[in-house]
Amino acid sequence: QVQLVESGGGVVQPGRSLRLSCVASGFTFSTYDMHWVRQAPGKGLEWVAFMSYDGSNKDYADPVNGRFTISRDKSKNTLYLEMSSLRVEDTGVYYCARENSGLYEAFDEWGQGTMVTVSS
Amino acid sequence: DIQMTQSPSSLSASVGDRVTITCRASQSTRTYLNWYQQKPGKAPQLLIYGASSLQSGVPSRFSGRGSGTDFTLTISSLQPEDFATYYCQQSDSSPWTFGQGTKVEIK
Repeated sequence: QVQLVESGGGVVQPGRSLRLSCVASGFTFSTYDMHWVRQAPGKGLEWVAFMSYDGSNKDYADPVNGRFTISRDKSKNTLYLEMSSLRVEDTGVYYCARENSGLYEAFDEWGQGTMVTVSS
Repeated sequence: DIQMTQSPSSLSASVGDRVTITCRASQSTRTYLNWYQQKPGKAPQLLIYGASSLQSGVPSRFSGRGSGTDFTLTISSLQPEDFATYYCQQSDSSPWTFGQGTKVEIK
């Protein structure tokens, strides 16, 4: 069955860096566009970053552009989010999500999420 | 950016009630509109894609309608497991944007 498993979250001071990972299984990872979506405590969902299936296209939400970098390793079936210059407002649960082009590009599979806390 | 506005932000309903949630986009998203259900402490789950198509495994009491800028999600007969927060999302253009959510609570 399809699985997305995030890891790498934790508590970090403002200004520091953190790398999140999302390991995919149960489907052909290299044929799907992928996203990161976050959710601040008690708040709604916020799209963070996108990477195309082959890595040729990337896109970022304005609040993270220039600080976060999305990447993927098809040999490891893994999606990454490198986060630098972290701010308190980056605190939240980070989900990786699979985009399905056959379903109007909806996010049809999600990981369980990994918590990032930015605090001094 | 396309802004997504849901109404209401919360509602109280009883088991068996018919519930409708509205989502309005600031510009046309054609039918690139999706609905997700999220329960506390869990990841969102896709319910409806393309405004009106039911995701595999989702009960038929859920339905979606609309195109352009105005969309609805309807639960025909609310069940205990449907108490959750619902989000609309447009996938027509970047940045992908979500509505603020509608929390469905027990009356």
